[in-house]
Amino acid sequence: EVQLVESGGGLVKPGGSLRLSCAASGFTFSSYSMNWVRQAPGKGLEWVSSISSSSSNIKYADSVKGRFTISRDNAKNSLYLQMNSLRAEDTAVYYCASGYGIAVAVPFDYWGQGTLVTVSS
Amino acid sequence: SYVLTQPPSVSVAPGKTARITCGGNNIETKIVHWYQQKPGQAPVLVVYDNSDRPSGIPERFSGSNSGNTATLTISRVEAGDEADYFCQVWHSNSDHPHWVFGGGTKLTVL
Repeated sequence: EVQLVESGGGLVKPGGSLRLSCAASGFTFSSYSMNWVRQAPGKGLEWVSSISSSSSNIKYADSVKGRFTISRDNAKNSLYLQMNSLRAEDTAVYYCASGYGIAVAVPFDYWGQGTLVTVSS
Repeated sequence: SYVLTQPPSVSVAPGKTARITCGGNNIETKIVHWYQQKPGQAPVLVVYDNSDRPSGIPERFSGSNSGNTATLTISRVEAGDEADYFCQVWHSNSDHPHWVFGGGTKLTVL
C-alpha cells in the first residue's frame, strides 16, 4: 500500500523558516517524480514545486521561487521542502504527492494527508 | 500565465449526470487531469490524460477535452460524489513551465 506521510509543519513567525518532510513507502520511490501542493484554509489547490525522480529537473511556482527549495533523498525514500522567508500568505496545508512517472509533467496519483503550516506573529 | 476557469458550484440530483467544466485558452492542446477532494481529505486523482481513469475509479467518471473547454462528467451521481473537483494542466508554452490548477468546483448532490 502506498503511503505518503508529511511532517514538520507548525507555527512560525513571518520571516522564519521551516523544513517539511514526506516519508514514502509502498512503492519504488526512486522511480517517480514528487510534488508539493498547498491549500490555504477554505481555498483551492496551489502547486508549489516538483522534482523529477533523479532530481535532474526541478520546478517552482513563481510565488515561492527563491524562498523554497525542494529536494529528495532516494536512499531514505524521503521528500523535503525547505521554506525560508515565510510570509502570512504561505499559511496552508502542504501536501506531498507522487507523480505518475519519472518526469515532472505527469499527474499526481497518490497524496499524503498534509501538514499545516501557519505563519503568524 | 495560463488560467483555468471552473464554475464555483454545480448541483445535481441523485441518479442524474453532472458536468463540471474547466475553461482555458485552447485547452484542447493541453492534457487535463481531474482531482476529487472530499472535506477534510486529501485530493484523489479521478481522471488523467483527459479521459483515462486510474484503477479503482468507477466508470461513472469520464473526461473530455475540446476547444477551450475540458469537461468532467459524472454519470448516475451518488451522494458519495459530493466533493470539490479540481482540473489541472501542465503549462509548457513558456520559458517557465509549471502546473496550473483550476479554482475548483463544489459538487452538491441534492
